[in-house]
Amino acid sequence: AQKVTQAQTEISVVEKEDVTLDCVYETRDTTYYLFWYKQPPSGELVFLIRRNSFDEQNEISGRYSWNFQKSTSSFNFTITASQVVDSAVYFCALSEAGTGRRALTFGSGTRLQVQP
Amino acid sequence: GAVVSQHPSWVICKSGTSVKIECRSLDFQATTMFWYRQFPKQSLMLMATSNEGSKATYEQGVEKDKFLINHASLTLSTLTVTSAHPEDSSFYICSANGLAGLNEQFFGPGTRLTVL
Repeated sequence: AQKVTQAQTEISVVEKEDVTLDCVYETRDTTYYLFWYKQPPSGELVFLIRRNSFDEQNEISGRYSWNFQKSTSSFNFTITASQVVDSAVYFCALSEAGTGRRALTFGSGTRLQVQP
Repeated sequence: GAVVSQHPSWVICKSGTSVKIECRSLDFQATTMFWYRQFPKQSLMLMATSNEGSKATYEQGVEKDKFLINHASLTLSTLTVTSAHPEDSSFYICSANGLAGLNEQFFGPGTRLTVL
């Protein structure tokens, strides 16, 4: 069975601070996909990144960066120089390609509050 | 990019009534759609997998007679909450897989259901 753990329930930072959101996953599949989504108060999920299990390269997109470490089953997300608009709930998710099960298993989410 | 719409975006109904939620893929054909439920301050939990032209597959603990799913075409899946009760109040989100994108999932904006 697959599982995604986001141990940080809530994080509060002051604007311009860097913040890292942790994600640890469990799966028996060798082929899988990892995702990060942002959910603002409106509720609509905003896709941030998808990474497959064969690509361990870290990725940077503007102020966002992701660190995928298969050895520790982690896929952490860092926001550099946080802004108030980054305040939202962030979900890490997993889908297993090998089983053909494309539905996502979500972590419990981390609520990020960026104070001005 | 691929767009998934949901209708209605919110609905308030009396206990005992049935509510239908539509999920449409606007610019692509979706062989598979997923329905998730999110209670306040909680994560998204998969309710069922909807495959075009066949019966939906429900997750353990989800009553198939209460949550009726119909995926009659490649662009439309509907979720009907029958005899809704206050405990069914939740945020319902659908997602769709494209024909070509194996693990590309596109999420709808969600439907907020409140049962009085």
